[in-house]
Amino acid sequence: AQKITQTQPGMFVQEKEAVTLDCTYDTSDQSYGLFWYKQPSSGEMIFLIYQGSYDEQNATEGRYSLNFQKARKSANLVISASQLGDSAMYFCAMREGGDSNYQLIWGAGTKLIIKP
Amino acid sequence: DSGVTQTPKHLITATGQRVTLRCSPRSGDLSVYWYQQSLDQGLQFLIQYYNGEERAKGNILERFSAQQFPDLHSELNLSSLELGDSALYFCASSVGSGGTQETQYFGPGTRLLVL
Repeated sequence: AQKITQTQPGMFVQEKEAVTLDCTYDTSDQSYGLFWYKQPSSGEMIFLIYQGSYDEQNATEGRYSLNFQKARKSANLVISASQLGDSAMYFCAMREGGDSNYQLIWGAGTKLIIKP
Repeated sequence: DSGVTQTPKHLITATGQRVTLRCSPRSGDLSVYWYQQSLDQGLQFLIQYYNGEERAKGNILERFSAQQFPDLHSELNLSSLELGDSALYFCASSVGSGGTQETQYFGPGTRLLVL
């Protein structure tokens, strides 16, 4: 079974609108971390935001926030007031404890295109 | 700028050849990770080094090897290159040996093209 599922291969959003990128995960661990990364067309992988499984508040970093719903095992990324520079691939990743060697498990990504 | 540096940025070589990719982690980070990103397989974890020792191994081919030096920079050696090895190779670093809360910061990547 997929550990990280990003169901939206691609999305088009109008500039200045908010956008939600979906991520669901599957783990039996109580302790885990969830990460979002952005990969623009230039190729670099940019860390955006982190949410720990024990964090009671949803993480926020500037225009990025994470809608963490633990019972539903979802960790959706919300970008407020989208900008043209937000056009990129977005990856959700999870780091489990246990026997996983703490390696990041990656989703397939969502390609976000912001329309002017 | 994540603080992780990778050289070279681009590399074009022929099948059967050997190349070395280099990575310097962020100041203070002890772990280095190597990833391969190809179009058909997404991001694949290859190997992790922590403070000079191999910490974890992923889907790394026997033709590939890596090491981390005392100054903490790392090199990924790819030998007997095949067309399918063409990909973007990332190095990432993190402060410790890896925990659920530990963020990995990525370098700009090395784009390898095998002709």
